[in-house]
Amino acid sequence: QLYLQESGPGLVKPSETLSLTCTVSGGSISSGSLYWGWIRQPPGKGLEYIGSIYYSGDAYYNPSLKSRVTISVDTSKNQFSLKLRSVTAADAAVYYCARLNFWSGYYVDSWGQGTLLTVSS
Amino acid sequence: QSALTQPASVSGSPGQSITISCTGTSSDIGVYNYVSWYQQHPGKAPKLMIFGVSNRPSGVSNRFSGSKSGNTASLTISGLQTEDEADYYCSSYTTTTTLVFGGGTKLTVL
Repeated sequence: QLYLQESGPGLVKPSETLSLTCTVSGGSISSGSLYWGWIRQPPGKGLEYIGSIYYSGDAYYNPSLKSRVTISVDTSKNQFSLKLRSVTAADAAVYYCARLNFWSGYYVDSWGQGTLLTVSS
Repeated sequence: QSALTQPASVSGSPGQSITISCTGTSSDIGVYNYVSWYQQHPGKAPKLMIFGVSNRPSGVSNRFSGSKSGNTASLTISGLQTEDEADYYCSSYTTTTTLVFGGGTKLTVL
């Protein structure tokens, strides 16, 4: 059974950098046809794709966030991470880490429980 | 990238069928058969219901089905049950090698 767990601070000050890590257990992050990504959901709103990464390090980002986002992977720890720079109140959301499957489509087949980010000074 | 377009809400009575539409463009739904659908209950993470336009993951009821025509995909739920009441999101792969979601549809089972 695959399990994804987000970790990181729940409170970040405006203009600072959000750093989150997702630890994967029950499966290898180096498996083929699988990407690992971040998706967020502001309170009461819809889902927004942030970006995703292959175990080789190839990363893809939402064009609207690309200038502020970096996603990295550490295969030795079976983890991947998100950095979002210059956060504002608009970045307040539940952040989910996820597994994206590229077999017969491109879809999220496993989600973390989500972690709530508050942006406040 | 612009979000896919879904109706804000739909409703139906137990036992009935409903369909949720998801409209994209020739840069996403129109060019790939990579549409997926997710169910989200309040306070929970989304759950995959359909992938590759019309495929159901193991464990998902066959009351859920998906289709696509041109730039529009659809999710149909037949034999509505009270536990189907949730938010539903569509998504598609895009020509910029990213994923785009719809704005979400709230399903109310009356």
